[in-house]
Amino acid sequence: GEDVEQSLFLSVREGDSSVINCTYTDSSSTYLYWYKQEPGAGLQLLTYIFSNMDMKQDQRLTVLLNKKDKHLSLRIADTQTGDSAIYFCARGTGFQKLVFGTGTRLLVSP
Amino acid sequence: DTGVSQDPRHKITKRGQNVTFRCDPISEHNRLYWYRQTLGQGPEFLTYFQNEAQLEKSRLLSDRFSAERPKGSFSTLEIQRTEQGDSAMYLCASSPTSGRASQTDTQYFGPGTRLTVL
Repeated sequence: GEDVEQSLFLSVREGDSSVINCTYTDSSSTYLYWYKQEPGAGLQLLTYIFSNMDMKQDQRLTVLLNKKDKHLSLRIADTQTGDSAIYFCARGTGFQKLVFGTGTRLLVSP
Repeated sequence: DTGVSQDPRHKITKRGQNVTFRCDPISEHNRLYWYRQTLGQGPEFLTYFQNEAQLEKSRLLSDRFSAERPKGSFSTLEIQRTEQGDSAMYLCASSPTSGRASQTDTQYFGPGTRLTVL
């Protein structure tokens, strides 16, 4: 199937860590991606992970992949108000379409 | 390199009118994608080009929709006889076929064209 699911909303205080979760059903994905979308804007690629990796760290971002449970997470350390946005996970199967989740709205309060 | 650009950014039209959107990919990106995003949802794939060849079309792309990429550079998406259900953000993305980004199948998105059908 093509289902990619995310929780709809997450609220954190500035300076805390945020963890955004995503589950998917199709295990044939080669890469999994996290994109950020600010109001009225397009999608900004944040990071990606290859399907044979368990973890990837990129500055404040940590991606964890549990292939057995088909679960992907994005941890943002020291969350700032500028991180407030909608975060989408997406899976790709190679040079073709990306299948996106419904997005998680992250609200960071001062 | 200024990234993927789309024009117009906003379009308001009356039901039944035709509209056309343009996408300019990152230079030398061979692959170009169109997605549609409705309010509160993630983007949904519409179609994909490699150079000028349209290689895949979604079932979402009804007969009223047509996309072209005549010279393998910019692309246009036309919607004929628009309906209120066509109101959405139309996103374009591009990706290279060589280099590191091609190995990760990374797609780079433009700012989108927001269509409102009255």
